[in-house]
Amino acid sequence: QITLKESGPTLVKPTQTLTLTCTFSGLSLSTTGVGVGWIRQPPGKALEWLALIYWDDDKRYSPSLKNRLTITKDTSKNRMVLTMTNMDPVDTATYYCVHRLGGKLAFDYWGQGTLVTVSS
Amino acid sequence: DIQMTQSPSSLSASVGDRVTITCRASQSISTFLNWYQQKPGKAPKLLMYTASTLESGVPSRFSGSGSGTDFTLSISSLQPEDFATYYCQQSDTIPWTFGQGTKVEIK
Repeated sequence: QITLKESGPTLVKPTQTLTLTCTFSGLSLSTTGVGVGWIRQPPGKALEWLALIYWDDDKRYSPSLKNRLTITKDTSKNRMVLTMTNMDPVDTATYYCVHRLGGKLAFDYWGQGTLVTVSS
Repeated sequence: DIQMTQSPSSLSASVGDRVTITCRASQSISTFLNWYQQKPGKAPKLLMYTASTLESGVPSRFSGSGSGTDFTLSISSLQPEDFATYYCQQSDTIPWTFGQGTKVEIK
């Protein structure tokens, strides 16, 4: 059974850097084809894919946010981290950690999500 | 970016009704199209991938079809637990993008 759980601050100030951690179980980021990433959803709005890291350390970013995002993994600790710089109130959203398997090409497991509010 | 447009944005239906949601891509995405269901306060759940493959554990009343730019998600007989918001998502080209959602409400 694959589970993912997000952790990080619930409130950040404008211009600060957000660091979110995804801790997972039931999967290994050293298994061929496995990817883990982030999707966010502003309150009442649609979903937006942000970034994904693959088992081989290949990284993919949304081009519109690429300059602000960094995704890394710690395979030994079953953990993945996203940093987003220069936070703005428009970045207020629920951030979800997701699992993606190459063969399925879909996000088949999701964490519960963590709401991050950007406000001074 | 590939734009995903869903219609309708919302609909009202009764238990037992057949419901169809449409998703259109701004360019051809072959069958690289997924569907998700989201209930209030919960994470989305994968229903269908590569346009027509039912995710394990999803009831067979859900079905998907389409290729190229036009896709549909159908629910053959709406059940109380199906009232939710549904999103399509293309996995053809980065950035992977979602539709704006279709809210299915109780009539």
